[in-house]
Amino acid sequence: NAGVTQTPKFQVLKTGQSMTLQCAQDMNHEYMSWYRQDPGMGLRLIHYSVGAGITDQGEVPNGYNVSRSTTEDFPLRLLSAAPSQTSVYFCASSYSPPPGTGELFFGEGSRLTVL
Amino acid sequence: GENVEQHPSTLSVQEGDSAVIKCTYSDSASNYFPWYKQELGKRPQLIIDIRSNVGEKKDQRIAVTLNKTAKHFSLHITETQPEDSAVYFCAASTSGGGSYIPTFGRGTSLIVHP
Repeated sequence: NAGVTQTPKFQVLKTGQSMTLQCAQDMNHEYMSWYRQDPGMGLRLIHYSVGAGITDQGEVPNGYNVSRSTTEDFPLRLLSAAPSQTSVYFCASSYSPPPGTGELFFGEGSRLTVL
Repeated sequence: GENVEQHPSTLSVQEGDSAVIKCTYSDSASNYFPWYKQELGKRPQLIIDIRSNVGEKKDQRIAVTLNKTAKHFSLHITETQPEDSAVYFCAASTSGGGSYIPTFGRGTSLIVHP
């Protein structure tokens, strides 16, 4: 099993450029999510999905777009990159619905720098 | 929405000492409380979790306690070792759409000195 796979691992963008962070999981997880990690700020939820065709906003959704056309894939799109979006991005998924464990499985992270 | 406060932000201990990290949450509907460990440059990984119908859970040198009335939960690490050095995140999760949706604390950087 590959688990949760994110690409790219590193990316440098110029202000105003757009890009897509890819996330795929092969564990048949219904729940998928995107977090950004900034120093001293913990893991903040950007968008999440509880199944194919369903997405919802998290704590910091502005400037990001998501879609969930399949169970496996959950891409994150930056529409017009800004320096404030410089961060490390993690994709995460989980399977067990309540009352089972909600363990999140994280990808390796994508470090994005916006100049 | 849920708000999770985590303290301290940095914790420095000597090898063999105990370490305690504390979290509080605001939403009484939260019912699942995981703890994640993130080593430098790595992804977060679950180390222990507790559900709202349990007051304490242990796994070797780590334990988690939950006080639902006071809305706080804690991670206890005994006999700390240098490999315990990492950032630890607590989270409080509510059930939504058939999944747990966690809100994370800001993290505690634990440094264990040999």
